[in-house]
Amino acid sequence: ETGVTQSPTHLIKTRGQQVTLRCSSQSGHNTVSWYQQALGQGPQFIFQYYREEENGRGNFPPRFSGLQFPNYSSELNVNALELDDSALYLCASSLVPGDPSYNEQFFGPGTRLTVL
Amino acid sequence: GQNIDQPTEMTATEGAIVQINCTYQTSGFNGLFWYQQHAGEAPTFLSYNVLDGLEEKGRFSSFLSRSKGYSYLLLKELQMKDSASYLCAVRTTSGTYKYIFGTGTRLKVLA
Repeated sequence: ETGVTQSPTHLIKTRGQQVTLRCSSQSGHNTVSWYQQALGQGPQFIFQYYREEENGRGNFPPRFSGLQFPNYSSELNVNALELDDSALYLCASSLVPGDPSYNEQFFGPGTRLTVL
Repeated sequence: GQNIDQPTEMTATEGAIVQINCTYQTSGFNGLFWYQQHAGEAPTFLSYNVLDGLEEKGRFSSFLSRSKGYSYLLLKELQMKDSASYLCAVRTTSGTYKYIFGTGTRLKVLA
């Protein structure tokens, strides 16, 4: 059973550019959440996808968007990058909402994004 | 608004017991989580509480009081490897799910 993987590990972009981050969920998990974690802070919830539909969203602007694919891999897209978008981006996968094991989220190692 | 508070830092001695408190103010409560995060690593799940009371899992226990908006994580028989940040998080649901994390408590275990 493979764990949650993310790519790339590190990324450097300039202000105004667009970025796509990728996540591959743990085998059998069909729910994925994305988080932004600034240095020294707790993760901030961006959104959650279940069966390719967004079913939860935090306080992030529309330039943060996502996709979940039939194989349960997912993407986080950020348009018009700002300096404050520099952070560690984490994805976490879990089982279907309502399943007793749904509550255990498995996090990937993260993508460190730097915006210059 | 929605808010989670936990101490920024705590220090304890190897072999001791430490309690990390978390208070929250949220709407549509749907469970409270504790995660452990070592520096430079991803968070790992420790516990989940949705009903009042104590959940025990080995050296780790977590308590919840929904009426008080309060939880704690109890770590027994502290080991050096327990030095990490401990994150308290609440899941809310008002139609859709949302997770709110505290800033984390950095625990240092001293020999």
